[in-house]
Amino acid sequence: DSGVTQTPKHLITATGQRVTLRCSPRSGDLSVYWYQQSLDQGLQFLIQYYNGEERAKGNILERFSAQQFPDLHSELNLSSLELGDSALYFCASSVGNRRGEIYEQYFGPGTRLTVT
Amino acid sequence: DQQVKQNSPSLSVQEGRISILNCDYTNSMFDYFLWYKKYPAEGPTFLISISSIKDKNEDGRFTVFLNKSAKHLSLHIVPSQPGDSAVYFCAGDLNAGNMLTFGGGTRLMVKP
Repeated sequence: DSGVTQTPKHLITATGQRVTLRCSPRSGDLSVYWYQQSLDQGLQFLIQYYNGEERAKGNILERFSAQQFPDLHSELNLSSLELGDSALYFCASSVGNRRGEIYEQYFGPGTRLTVT
Repeated sequence: DQQVKQNSPSLSVQEGRISILNCDYTNSMFDYFLWYKKYPAEGPTFLISISSIKDKNEDGRFTVFLNKSAKHLSLHIVPSQPGDSAVYFCAGDLNAGNMLTFGGGTRLMVKP
């Protein structure tokens, strides 16, 4: 158990809909990261937040957005869903985000999203 | 453009033998490389990392080697155990701040 929790575990929804994935980081971790793992793209970095502020952005679609709340939990919002958005979405957390230093990222178990 | 590639999708090794997992990268700006292990229905778990200024890092049965001129790294597991059977991902970390770029993964099967 990494200490990172993600809800829900599974989500099935229809094209065009909007969903929210939730992540609670490990106690004391200030950084939260979102990743997408799809069959054809592998594990891809989407976005990172540090203490409530967006810190880095990867290949995140404009239909997707995220935020980190004052209690440090984070939500990933996916809208106008398409079949290709079906994937495993992982959240990870780490202690800090000082440039030039490596921090181990602890991953949650993921949310499996199926768009039908 | 795949900046991190794991060209072997799977590897099968006998228990007690050495497992060697390979990874190639194209982005010379990576300043750390990491290996993660993933079991089914779980998130990836950090295994070992190496700074780009080093060529070797060892932690118990796990050793990572980095060849910067060849833009190649490898993970050695000695001796391999059945519990090591999992998918292994290598990742590069840019100095932009822990933004990991993952390879496609290699499924390791260690046979008893």
